[in-house]
Amino acid sequence: DTGVSQDPRHKITKRGQNVTFRCDPISEHNRLYWYRQTLGQGPEFLTYFQNEAQLEKSRLLSDRFSAERPKGSFSTLEIQRTEQGDSAMYLCASSLSVEQPQHFGDGTRLSIL
Amino acid sequence: AQKITQTQPGMFVQEKEAVTLDCTYDTSDPSYGLFWYKQPSSGEMIFLIYQGSYDQQNATEGRYSLNFQKARKSANLVISASQLGDSAMYFCAMVPYNSGNTPLVFGKGTRLSVIA
Repeated sequence: DTGVSQDPRHKITKRGQNVTFRCDPISEHNRLYWYRQTLGQGPEFLTYFQNEAQLEKSRLLSDRFSAERPKGSFSTLEIQRTEQGDSAMYLCASSLSVEQPQHFGDGTRLSIL
Repeated sequence: AQKITQTQPGMFVQEKEAVTLDCTYDTSDPSYGLFWYKQPSSGEMIFLIYQGSYDQQNATEGRYSLNFQKARKSANLVISASQLGDSAMYFCAMVPYNSGNTPLVFGKGTRLSVIA
């Protein structure tokens, strides 16, 4: 059990650029979640995959955001035409089932200049 | 809709003392799970403890215990024998099992500071 890993840990980019984050879940976990956390708040749900199928998307996930999990293993989250308001910590989590705890990665901190 | 309320933005506790972090929740789903996570300043979310809505006994994990009062819809976290390393943000979260929604719903968190 190597835990959930996220890459990169930090990303600084200029407004208007595209960014892509990667998440590698715990290997036997078929459920994968993306959350966003801003300063002083709890994480907010963005989207959820069960295996390769994207089953839920939050209204927070505007059309500039897209997520994939092509082979049911790792996932990517892409933000196009970044805006100042996208600055946040992006957290990935995985779990075996809905009743099991979600285990989080260390997150990717995005800063938009 | 589900909601988690943590009314204590910040708490202080003396080292080796016990501390209770409050959490109340709201859901119409009869079956749900309650979770507590710890987030140190480094940012990672660390799972601490889980309580299922149908569990008869309060959950315990080492120095952590969950005081579950279903009728009051509260799920308070008790940390016994506080240590300096317990200083962190603590988040209460829930998942309703029958509503079709599966992501965690988090509260705003409580910042715990342990004083030597």
